[in-house]
Amino acid sequence: DADVTQTPRNRITKTGKRIMLECSQTKGHDRMYWYRQDPGLGLRLIYYSFDVKDINKGEISDGYSVSRQAQAKFSLSLESAIPNQTALYFCATSDNRNTEAFFGQGTRLTVV
Amino acid sequence: GENVEQHPSTLSVQEGDSAVIKCTYSDSASNYFPWYKQELGKGPQLIIDIRSNVGEKKDQRIAVTLNKTAKHFSLHITETQPEDSAVYFCAAGRANFGNEKLTFGTGTRLTIIP
Repeated sequence: DADVTQTPRNRITKTGKRIMLECSQTKGHDRMYWYRQDPGLGLRLIYYSFDVKDINKGEISDGYSVSRQAQAKFSLSLESAIPNQTALYFCATSDNRNTEAFFGQGTRLTVV
Repeated sequence: GENVEQHPSTLSVQEGDSAVIKCTYSDSASNYFPWYKQELGKGPQLIIDIRSNVGEKKDQRIAVTLNKTAKHFSLHITETQPEDSAVYFCAAGRANFGNEKLTFGTGTRLTIIP
């Protein structure tokens, strides 16, 4: 089983709908991240969390919100999806001693 | 903030030949430079990293070089094999700041031609 699991893997939603992407990890890491990947733009940080009570905005947080329900779970929400939020979304984790990030397999989101 | 430029965006090489991907960064305070490999349908995975106290690091067929003066670093893959086909991302940041301060390049799609 994957150490970092994202659900769903693929999702098509309509403009204006609320959608939640979920991430769970079995690595026991405190730090969790949500990234967005667009062709030609690389990986950009949306939100990150150092523990259950900690939420921080990343480079491109507008239009997104997150919830850290437990050490192992970090969800990303789009309150009112718009077409330019169509992208590949990745969750990642790291521990407090190491900068290596462990990524999930990604969620491909299409907003029509 | 940090700005990372990565070239080329696509690269095709014959199997067995070498591949080189180059990145430049802007923040002289950056001291940590990882490279991630993303295979089709998977998330990125760290393959090698280098810190600014060394100029070169090797791991079997892959190596990374760093020129702090010029602010550029490169990934070298020798004796390429079909399984090297993937998208490669460089990144720059500060080791003691964690991934939240890491800036990624735009990626290079490497194709190995059998």
